[in-house]
Amino acid sequence: QQPVQSPQAVILREGEDAVINCSSSKALYSVHWYRQKHGEAPVFLMILLKGGEQKGHEKISASFNEKKQQSSLYLTASQLSYSGTYFCGTELKDSNYQLIWGAGTKLIIKP
Amino acid sequence: DARVTQTPRHKVTEMGQEVTMRCQPILGHNTVFWYRQTMMQGLELLAYFRNRAPLDDSGMPKDRFSAEMPDATLATLKIQPSEPRDSAVYFCASGHYRTVNTEAFFGQGTRLTVV
Repeated sequence: QQPVQSPQAVILREGEDAVINCSSSKALYSVHWYRQKHGEAPVFLMILLKGGEQKGHEKISASFNEKKQQSSLYLTASQLSYSGTYFCGTELKDSNYQLIWGAGTKLIIKP
Repeated sequence: DARVTQTPRHKVTEMGQEVTMRCQPILGHNTVFWYRQTMMQGLELLAYFRNRAPLDDSGMPKDRFSAEMPDATLATLKIQPSEPRDSAVYFCASGHYRTVNTEAFFGQGTRLTVV
């Protein structure tokens, strides 16, 4: 049931773009994206509720393809502050709205 | 500034001892989650409550773990007896469920070390 995130890790230069993918084998009700910095708690980025929904948060945006049971997080013109581990959390349609987390994608931004 | 408060922040204990972790959710939130995070297993859901009632605790080892919400301002996670493999960071998160989960706000976590 755990969603699969890819890639596991990515190293970027400041200003470069990245895409993080999250896919599920089950039908999804929603997808949640969080970022966690080392030694800190995960922090909410955005929730996508409807198939085809796209949202943006500064230079971080995401899309949700309900039919493919996938979501992607887009980071454009990355900044040093974007470094951390990104988690997707998925709510399955038959799960009583329980959130299951992916293993995370570690993003390292170099100056 | 509303936040989820967890105590203690750090706990070192000997194997076999009882450990109690506490969480004060954000006032007005009706859903509380307990998570365990390790390098190997990532973020695992242990249990969650809605309106203080346990909805799912299938992620918890039942023989040693217990989770309760004695009132709306306090959630507890207890391990008895503790084992070295319980060493992890335990996060509490709260949110407000209406027709779908809204964002969950995480506490700073309790770093548990069992020696």
